[in-house]
Amino acid sequence: DTAVSQTPKYLVTQMGNDKSIKCEQNLGHDTMYWYKQDSKKFLKIMFSYNNKELIINETVPNRFSPKSPDKAHLNLHINSLELGDSAVYFCASSSRTSGSPYEQYFGPGTRLTVT
Amino acid sequence: KQEVTQIPAALSVPEGENLVLNCSFTDSAIYNLQWFRQDPGKGLTSLLLIQSSQREQTSGRLNASLDKSSGRSTLYIAASQPGDSATYLCAVGSNSGGYQKVTFGTGTKLQVIP
Repeated sequence: DTAVSQTPKYLVTQMGNDKSIKCEQNLGHDTMYWYKQDSKKFLKIMFSYNNKELIINETVPNRFSPKSPDKAHLNLHINSLELGDSAVYFCASSSRTSGSPYEQYFGPGTRLTVT
Repeated sequence: KQEVTQIPAALSVPEGENLVLNCSFTDSAIYNLQWFRQDPGKGLTSLLLIQSSQREQTSGRLNASLDKSSGRSTLYIAASQPGDSATYLCAVGSNSGGYQKVTFGTGTKLQVIP
């Protein structure tokens, strides 16, 4: 069974469009994250949610809006896409209390290409 | 602000060699440190997690150590194999308002030559 899943895996779209990426985890974790990996392969945190509450919001343009309908899901909506948004977006999850605290489990990534 | 550096950026070794990858971080008040591998075009695979109270963790041919006071971690790979070729990432979990914020290093790209 897939622990952290993301859809879609690939997303090609034009500048100015709005798109969403979905993430789901079946690990029972209480914390979920969005990361961006740029063309130089550097991974940087964008957002983090704990039990549906936004707890980390890095310096990200407000065109990016995360939403967590429940603690197993974290979606990322991007408005007015720009060329610089092209990257791989990873979702991850962890637990603060159970199992191995704070150990991060990553999804397979969504490769976004803006043309 | 936590900063994480990995040295070297790239490493090429012949098969069978033992090797060490380095990770350094600036703020020693951490929750944990996690090592990942990333194959080209793929996601991240967790290798080892060291909690802040631990000194090392081992899994098979991998051994990771943590020295918080000096802000360093090493990943030791014994008897390297071509299948070990990948980018290795160090990720440091720090406190941010009572929650964990993870800062990644820049990665070490490893090539093991048959």
